[in-house]
Amino acid sequence: GAVVSQHPSWVICKSGTSVKIECRSLDFQATTMFWYRQFPKQSLMLMATSNEGSKATYEQGVEKDKFLINHASLTLSTLTVTSAHPEDSSFYICSAPRTANTEAFFGQGTRLTVV
Amino acid sequence: GENVEQHPSTLSVQEGDSAVIKCTYSDSASNYFPWYKQELGKGPQLIIDIRSNVGEKKDQRIAVTLNKTAKHFSLHITETQPEDSAVYFCAALKGSARQLTFGSGTQLTVLP
Repeated sequence: GAVVSQHPSWVICKSGTSVKIECRSLDFQATTMFWYRQFPKQSLMLMATSNEGSKATYEQGVEKDKFLINHASLTLSTLTVTSAHPEDSSFYICSAPRTANTEAFFGQGTRLTVV
Repeated sequence: GENVEQHPSTLSVQEGDSAVIKCTYSDSASNYFPWYKQELGKGPQLIIDIRSNVGEKKDQRIAVTLNKTAKHFSLHITETQPEDSAVYFCAALKGSARQLTFGSGTQLTVLP
């Protein structure tokens, strides 16, 4: 079956530094990928939609200059958390649908801790 | 936009008993309804899904039912096992959209 791989699974960084998270579709091409943020004991909150070859679409309240998204190929989207602060600490998850209106596969998630 | 409500938020059952989680959706144009299982520290994993042209789907101990008229769908887990303990999310998708709308999640605990 289709697999989405996310890397790294966890990262600790210092305040003020930037962190890049990668999301890869391993056996299908994903023109669209989604990035979510999840707080403890809560549901997934959509941050942005990553579109291959064009700008990402951000949800209301999500700072596009802080959460940089690049979807440079049909199998890779990256999320860069810039100038990270402790409040950015969270669980970040990507997903990719194989095609429109089909099942979405999720990455393993990335636990970001900013100290 | 679509709104998906999920109940209960927590559910504890004895091993071997059945568990039922229910979701309602607001947009009658939604036509795809997946269920995800999320274990602690991991991403959600698709466990079963159903499309609007089907009323029920079963995969071993897991089944999903859909009532389009009432706009609700349910996850049924029979003969529960401790490894079924996790958070379960329902979701809805409309037409050619790619973006899922998620329920709030249900923490299922199967007691040995």
